[in-house]
Amino acid sequence: KQEVTQIPAALSVPEGENLVLNCSFTDSAIYNLQWFRQDPGKGLTSLLLIQSSQREQTSGRLNASLDKSSGRSTLYIAASQPGDSATYLCAVRPSGTYKYIFGTGTRLKVLA
Amino acid sequence: NAGVTQTPKFQVLKTGQSMTLQCAQDMNHEYMSWYRQDPGMGLRLIHYSVGAGITDQGEVPNGYNVSRSTTEDFPLRLLSAAPSQTSVYFCASSYLTSGPGSSYNEQFFGPGTRLTVL
Repeated sequence: KQEVTQIPAALSVPEGENLVLNCSFTDSAIYNLQWFRQDPGKGLTSLLLIQSSQREQTSGRLNASLDKSSGRSTLYIAASQPGDSATYLCAVRPSGTYKYIFGTGTRLKVLA
Repeated sequence: NAGVTQTPKFQVLKTGQSMTLQCAQDMNHEYMSWYRQDPGMGLRLIHYSVGAGITDQGEVPNGYNVSRSTTEDFPLRLLSAAPSQTSVYFCASSYLTSGPGSSYNEQFFGPGTRLTVL
């Protein structure tokens, strides 16, 4: 059974720092992996989606990488800002299914 | 495009009552799904649909029914509400297969419905 883990559960960093958020999954047979941002009391906003054949995707200050063989994805945020404070979630779609599986998220606080 | 819309935003029910949470999307997505989000447990898939007339169970389907008569709408029905169903419910949609652009089948989420069952 596919399981998705995000460590740490919470993270505080000073403004301007480059940081890495981690997402681990137990089965490498995935169709894609998606990173989301969730602000308190709000829905999820899609940040990046990586197909199983890709190694990384970039959008602005965000870069997501995927290493299927090790069951890991990382979300790199460059030059963090207080506006980046939110919970970041990753979700995996296993191959051959339509059932997305979410991690429990990393709550990020960027201090001004 | 309105994207994914959900109604109501908030709802309070008494144990045993029934209700329907509405979800609609205007992006012509084949795939629609319902999740519940509980503290410490992340998002868990309740039911999903890969097209009109086709639905299937997710991880936590008990106590919920769905149907998909049109591409646009995917309502979630609580048959007899229980306090354990107190949660925030999210609807999401996406294209099913890969297409033009690397993010073609990314999921889009609605704003959520906060449900309390007393």
